[in-house]
Amino acid sequence: DIVLTQSPPSLPVTPGEPASISCRSSQSLLHTNGHNYLEWYLQKPGQSPHLLIYLGSNRASGVPDRFSGSGSGTDFTLRITTVEAEDIGIYYCMQALQTPFTFGPGTRVDFK
Amino acid sequence: QVQLQQWGAGLLKPSETLSLTCAVHGGSFSGYYWTWIRQSPGKGLEWIGEINHSGSTNYNPSVKSRVTISIDTANYQFSLKMTSVTAADTAVYFCARVHLYYNYGYEYWGQGTLVTVSS
Repeated sequence: DIVLTQSPPSLPVTPGEPASISCRSSQSLLHTNGHNYLEWYLQKPGQSPHLLIYLGSNRASGVPDRFSGSGSGTDFTLRITTVEAEDIGIYYCMQALQTPFTFGPGTRVDFK
Repeated sequence: QVQLQQWGAGLLKPSETLSLTCAVHGGSFSGYYWTWIRQSPGKGLEWIGEINHSGSTNYNPSVKSRVTISIDTANYQFSLKMTSVTAADTAVYFCARVHLYYNYGYEYWGQGTLVTVSS
């Protein structure tokens, strides 16, 4: 199985400030079609995960443009340009290159 | 607007069979993989398996011997059965949808069902 690691495990943030989360894969997630099969999700307390980014850098429908995904191969980053109160929760990366799809352990984002 | 509504027994004894169903409201039933994912404190998010409208399945090898995912296209539902549960299967179980041909991500999720396995 492909193993994903995330850093940091916990990220204290200040509203209005930027934030970034790293996701590293044990294998390249670059498909032969040129797309990276890496997704980002945000899970707020008591809710289901919510899709933010697919194919490495594409924002899902309705996701604010303060969220961006980048990276290729084995190293990926989720960036938030200016953190807002509603961005608090646990962020997960997930690889969709090969089954079984696997998730990173999560990064908990909370206010300082 | 697509909605996934799931239900099933929340408390099981060891060795019993877990059974969950997810109903799809809105949107097409074909052209997607219908998926089960679980979340436990110890193992985080774990992809269990998926089925398409034709009944083709993929399972996580970690649970493959105990899991069956089935589909009822007439009623826009799909189900998860897991036999011989143990405490390690205690988790919140989610159903979700992903496009069959394009990796657009899991855009729609069920609300989650907490399943507790305890004697």
